[in-house]
This record gives sequence, C-alpha cells and structure tokens, in this order.
Amino acid sequence: KAGVTQTPRYLIKTRGQQVTLSCSPISGHRSVSWYQQTPGQGLQFLFEYFSETQRNKGNFPGRFSGRQFSNSRSEMNVSTLELGDSALYLCASSFGLKETQYFGPGTRLLVL
Amino acid sequence: QQPVQSPQAVILREGEDAVINCSSSKALYSVHWYRQKHGEAPVFLMILLKGGEQKGHEKISASFNEKKQQSSLYLTASQLSYSGTYFCGTETSGNTPLVFGKGTRLSVIA
Repeated sequence: KAGVTQTPRYLIKTRGQQVTLSCSPISGHRSVSWYQQTPGQGLQFLFEYFSETQRNKGNFPGRFSGRQFSNSRSEMNVSTLELGDSALYLCASSFGLKETQYFGPGTRLLVL
Repeated sequence: QQPVQSPQAVILREGEDAVINCSSSKALYSVHWYRQKHGEAPVFLMILLKGGEQKGHEKISASFNEKKQQSSLYLTASQLSYSGTYFCGTETSGNTPLVFGKGTRLSVIA
C-alpha cells in the first residue's frame, strides 16, 4: 500500500507570495492533519480534516488555510508569505479520527 | 496545550538505557510516541490510552500514568538505530487534536 505523498517536496518563495501544498493520504484513510515543523519548536498543529470537514484548527493566523476534497486529498494554502513561514510542512493521514497517524515526507518551504 | 518533554537531548553509548518523559498540564486521553530520523518523516512507535497501561515494541516500551498526567518512553539496551528525535503527542479529550511536544534528541554512539 502506498504511503502518504506530499507535493512538492521543496519550494522556494519570496515574501508576499502565496503557496499551495498538496497531500494525498494512504488509500482508504479519511482523516488528514497538517503540522508545521521548525527547529526548536517541534511539530505545531495546523489543521485536522475528516470527510471534507475541518475538525480542528491550530493557533495560526488566518493566512493559513486548508481544505479536504471528496477523495480525501488535502491542500493547505499560505498567503502573503513571511520569512517565519519557512519550515517543513508535514501531512499525516489516519483511517479515522483518533487513530494512528502516518506521516508523509513533508514539503520543505523556504521563504526569501 | 503543548506537552513538555524531558530531557531535551541525551547521548548514550550502545547498550545503555534511557527514559524520555512527556508531561501535560491537562488530563490526558491518549499519548502517542513517534521517532523521527534526520531528514525523514516521523514514524509511529506506539499509542497509549488512559488506564495506566504499558506497551512494548521490541526493546522500546512506554507507560502512561493518568494521575500524574505523564507518559514515559523506555529504551533498553540501546542500538545505533535508535538515534533520532522522539516526539510525544497528546490528546486531552476525544475531540481535541494531537498536540506534539518539542521532542527529545537521542544520540547513540558506539
């Protein structure tokens, strides 16, 4: 069974631009969560989706948004990029809510 | 509320044991443990639900003390392959998301 895939793997943007990251969960998984990982801060929770509904949202500004499609694929968008948005963005999928999460390889975003 | 992990970093020689702690200021519903090697995605180790159970995975086990609102990960007879950053993730209820600590960097040397 294929694992969680994320595209693109690497991205370089400049301040003020916007970016869209994509996550394809493991086949059959209906829940997708997003995390931001930066050195020293660990994994910061961004969003949790289940069956196209946002179940939880982390403490991030409104520039961060996301959605989930009917095929469980998910996207997150960051508008008006800031230097501090440089991070590894990880997506994790699970069969249902409150079940084991399986992480994708992440998208490394660099904002210049 | 982000759980607090201790220690932040630890260096072991092969064969030594280590304990990583994860504490929360709120009552816990579950604790999840992951290991992330450099440049890779976090990999699931185990999940513990409230009830004080202990689980094991080869030479890695964990306990969950509901009263103390903490979990501990035990690594015995460490191997070089145990090196990485260990994260605990906690849920405080059935409706809250999984929130991770800042991680504990474990280095095993020969």
